[in-house]
Amino acid sequence: GQNIDQPTEMTATEGAIVQINCTYQTSGFNGLFWYQQHAGEAPTFLSYNVLDGLEEKGRFSSFLSRSKGYSYLLLKELQMKDSASYLCAVGGITSGTYKYIFGTGTRLKVLA
Amino acid sequence: ETGVTQTPRHLVMGMTNKKSLKCEQHLGHNAMYWYKQSAKKPLELMFVYNFKEQTENNSVPSRFSPECPNSSHLFLHLHTLQPEDSALYLCASSQSTPNDEQYFGPGTRLTVT
Repeated sequence: GQNIDQPTEMTATEGAIVQINCTYQTSGFNGLFWYQQHAGEAPTFLSYNVLDGLEEKGRFSSFLSRSKGYSYLLLKELQMKDSASYLCAVGGITSGTYKYIFGTGTRLKVLA
Repeated sequence: ETGVTQTPRHLVMGMTNKKSLKCEQHLGHNAMYWYKQSAKKPLELMFVYNFKEQTENNSVPSRFSPECPNSSHLFLHLHTLQPEDSALYLCASSQSTPNDEQYFGPGTRLTVT
């Protein structure tokens, strides 16, 4: 089956660095995604990893290790507006059928 | 209009009512999706449409009936719902598959009384 685990909540201070971990089990892996969702709003795409390694995009970076079923999202120079839920999602394809599952999300609170 | 739009934004319906949710994407994408988001649960992918054809139905009860008349529009017809169906229903689109970057609409907050 498919399963995703990520911490429920994290707290960090403005200007700091925070790492949000995600572990997954899936068959037919076809990519790992991170989305940001502010309260009451729709999720917005942050990053996509399909190969091992680090993808950097401004203050946000995402890392993937396929052999370990592990990813993390790194947020640098935290700002108050980064307070949101961060959703890890895994895409897969098995026998021509797409599977796309989300974790429950990590609610990040950034404190002044 | 830009991006993905959904109407209505809020809906309250009784268990015997019939209602429809509408989604429209203005991004030229070929794939559209319905998701359910309940409190403290992960986003659940309900239906996948690719080039107007339904390619996925993730064990969704028949009281939810999707319709995709063209690549830009997606509907979710609701009938005889249960209180546990109360949730945020999100529509999304992507270029061609669920494994492409998905763009989400603002959602419809549904309450079943």
